[in-house]
Amino acid sequence: NAGVTQTPKFRILKIGQSMTLQCTQDMNHNYMYWYRQDPGMGLKLIYYSVGAGITDKGEVPNGYNVSRSTTEDFPLRLELAAPSQTSVYFCASSYPGQNYGYTFGSGTRLTVV
Amino acid sequence: QKEVEQDPGPLSVPEGAIVSLNCTYSNSAFQYFMWYRQYSRKGPELLMYTYSSGNKEDGRFTAQVDKSSKYISLFIRDSQPSDSATYLCAIGSGNNRLAFGKGNQVVVIP
Repeated sequence: NAGVTQTPKFRILKIGQSMTLQCTQDMNHNYMYWYRQDPGMGLKLIYYSVGAGITDKGEVPNGYNVSRSTTEDFPLRLELAAPSQTSVYFCASSYPGQNYGYTFGSGTRLTVV
Repeated sequence: QKEVEQDPGPLSVPEGAIVSLNCTYSNSAFQYFMWYRQYSRKGPELLMYTYSSGNKEDGRFTAQVDKSSKYISLFIRDSQPSDSATYLCAIGSGNNRLAFGKGNQVVVIP
């Protein structure tokens, strides 16, 4: 059971380039989330999804887009990368109901130069 | 006022000491209280979960919740070098959205 899988683990982008961070989970979780984590700043929610075809903005959505065509996959798209998007990105998933907490992936370290 | 406050200062303790971490929150609607542990260059993993005031123990770890004061704590007894990690509190109100604290980096020195 792989849990939440994120690819790539590391990436360096040039300013203005675009990329997609992949996230897939095999636990049949309805809810999926994208966070960014910057040193000393904690986890900030970018986007989340409560099921296939349904997505919504978190607290820092600007510069990002998401889609959720299947229960398993929740890719995060960066358009026109900027140095401010240098961060560690975590995908997470959960069942409905708070009892289970979130399962996180191992993260993608992105540097924009 | 932020939903969850966790002083992000690092903490160094000698092996065997008790580690004490805490968070405060502002919204009394929060009902679910969690602590996540995050090792360096890894994703957070759920360490402790509770939804009621009082103490919950799991081995060397104790999670404490005081809803009247809106205050949660994590205690680690007999700390080990393997406990060196960042600890994040997380609080939820039942809508599957968690509010995370900024995290405390704990270093246990052998």
